[in-house]
Amino acid sequence: KNEVEQSPQNLTAQEGEFITINCSYSVGISALHWLQQHPGGGIVSLFMLSSGKKKHGRLIATINIQEKHSSLHITASHPRDSAVYICAVRYGNQFYFGTGTSLTVIP
Amino acid sequence: DAGVIQSPRHEVTEMGQEVTLRCKPISGHNSLFWYRQTMMRGLELLIYFNNNVPIDDSGMPEDRFSAKMPNASFSTLKIQPSEPRDSAVYFCASRSSAYEQYFGPGTRLTVT
Repeated sequence: KNEVEQSPQNLTAQEGEFITINCSYSVGISALHWLQQHPGGGIVSLFMLSSGKKKHGRLIATINIQEKHSSLHITASHPRDSAVYICAVRYGNQFYFGTGTSLTVIP
Repeated sequence: DAGVIQSPRHEVTEMGQEVTLRCKPISGHNSLFWYRQTMMRGLELLIYFNNNVPIDDSGMPEDRFSAKMPNASFSTLKIQPSEPRDSAVYFCASRSSAYEQYFGPGTRLTVT
């Protein structure tokens, strides 16, 4: 069993749609990270959160500690949002990674 | 700042050879992480340093892997001897205290 589960694995959306990617975890948590990996392979850290909600531009990340669940929302999606989104949970010195959600936004 | 710098960007080597990957973190960052990414296993944390000291190396796959951070501006990940199953993209990342990590562009290693 994976400590971090993401859904869906693959997602195709039309430009402008509201997108939600989910992450559930089974371990304790110090912090949860959302990463974005572009087709070229580069990785960007989008959010690090341990409670509540964070917003950056069109991206919103929420976390519910009691339910061990986090969501990444993208409003007004755009083709440049096409990437793999990875959820990672840090607990003490350990990092646990989800397998990623591959998002394709079609113009 | 130039961001996290990794070298080489691509490495092709034969099985049994020694491989050294290099990383220069962002100036002022006090934590450095080495990750490996494969299609089969996804992203994995290999080791991380805090103030140049290795904190957790439980992700290092076996004794063939070693990592050092002799000073705040340089780290190496060495594989000796290399094996085909070590083929992967190796990422280095750095961060300052409790802030987010910044990833390098990665080194794509192919062991034939």
